Amino acid sequence: DGGITQSPKYLFRKEGQNVTLSCEQNLNHDAMYWYRQDPGQGLRLIYYSQIVNDFQKGDIAEGYSVSREKKESFPLTVTSAQKNPTAFYLCASSIGQYNQPQHFGDGTRLSIL
Amino acid sequence: SQQGEEDPQALSIQEGENATMNCSYKTSINNLQWYRQNSGRGLVHLILIRSNEREKHSGRLRVTLDTSKKSSSLLITASRAADTASYFCATVYAGNNRKLIWGLGTSLAVNP
Repeated sequence: DGGITQSPKYLFRKEGQNVTLSCEQNLNHDAMYWYRQDPGQGLRLIYYSQIVNDFQKGDIAEGYSVSREKKESFPLTVTSAQKNPTAFYLCASSIGQYNQPQHFGDGTRLSIL
Repeated sequence: SQQGEEDPQALSIQEGENATMNCSYKTSINNLQWYRQNSGRGLVHLILIRSNEREKHSGRLRVTLDTSKKSSSLLITASRAADTASYFCATVYAGNNRKLIWGLGTSLAVNP
């Protein structure tokens, strides 16, 4: 079945450590996104990519980095510069246009040790 | 910045009843989308309604759009316990197709 796979489901970060969240899709979608979700808040866009080797900052990109070397993969690195990384991270993809419906993975919950 | 605002924030109903939740937005839109999120899971797309449409149906779901009032509603008929989830609206600005703008969601509890 086609879909988006995020791993790991739970992740713990130590102070000063960078961690990378994986996102893989087999939907053949061009566009991919990373969102952060905090309790009581809607989704906030971290980064998005419309095509391989291209990505753009979203609303809260500081302390995060991404790469898009393959169409299927869009990993997110939470760097030590992100001082409040505890959140639920969601990866999504869509066909080409941003105004198309987005398909989501089941998220990664990141906590601080 | 948040474009859509859902109302109510939380809703509790009995199985078999209808659930209505509303979404308001501030500027002209290209389309409006509704999503469902079960606890601890990703979001699932439910319905997309374009700015030139007034109503769409999908199974037990009915979405309306009133562009003059800049609002949309999602009606779930004959609700089931499995409908318990958070529901989000997301809008795309008419002049900017680059991202969805998300509301804060309505938390729906359907009691057996």
